[in-house]
Amino acid sequence: QQQVKQSPQSLIVQKGGISIINCAYENTAFDYFPWYQQFPGKGPALLIAIRPDVSEKKEGRFTISFNKSAKQFSLHIMDSQPGDSATYFCAARGRYNQGGKLIFGQGTELSVKP
Amino acid sequence: EPEVTQTPSHQVTQMGQEVILRCVPISNHLYFYWYRQILGQKVEFLVSFYNNEISEKSEIFDDQFSVERPDGSNFTLKIRSTKLEDSAMYFCASSGGTGALSGANVLTFGAGSRLTVL
Repeated sequence: QQQVKQSPQSLIVQKGGISIINCAYENTAFDYFPWYQQFPGKGPALLIAIRPDVSEKKEGRFTISFNKSAKQFSLHIMDSQPGDSATYFCAARGRYNQGGKLIFGQGTELSVKP
Repeated sequence: EPEVTQTPSHQVTQMGQEVILRCVPISNHLYFYWYRQILGQKVEFLVSFYNNEISEKSEIFDDQFSVERPDGSNFTLKIRSTKLEDSAMYFCASSGGTGALSGANVLTFGAGSRLTVL
């Protein structure tokens, strides 16, 4: 199965709160899981990424948690700010895909209220 | 910071017309891609291009679509006879620095070309 399922579709969080976006996959051949951030009128931009040999990766306020056995991974945004308001996409890449093709989730529209 | 440049930013065309979307990838990248995003939906893979040939394409990328790297800097997507359902934002992306596998992972996307088919 070449799908990545993402939830929720939209999320409203108060400034300073924690935003959590979840993704699930079925293909065990996926070996690279990036998160992309997209602002209106712009292309997706890489935010943070993880490989399945680690369970967590943190970069500033952004953390990916990875559960290999459950085939799930999530993005946590700590101390969410209005500037974080954007659409977030999880994605996955196949281990044998040398060309870097990414399979994207459906996207989560995050709104951080001041 | 290096960026992927796309033109035009918005194109309106009549159904059945040919459209060419242009991209200038990051100069030392080796892999090139086209993705599309129908309004409000997820980003969908169309095609990847490496070493002057298509390396993979999706079921969306049918005979109406073609890609070309006519010179050392441009990468184009041609839609031969546009349909209403081709209306979408088309993103070009590139990846891969000087050959390290990890470089192929980091796709840098352009700002997109919005195609409206009437």
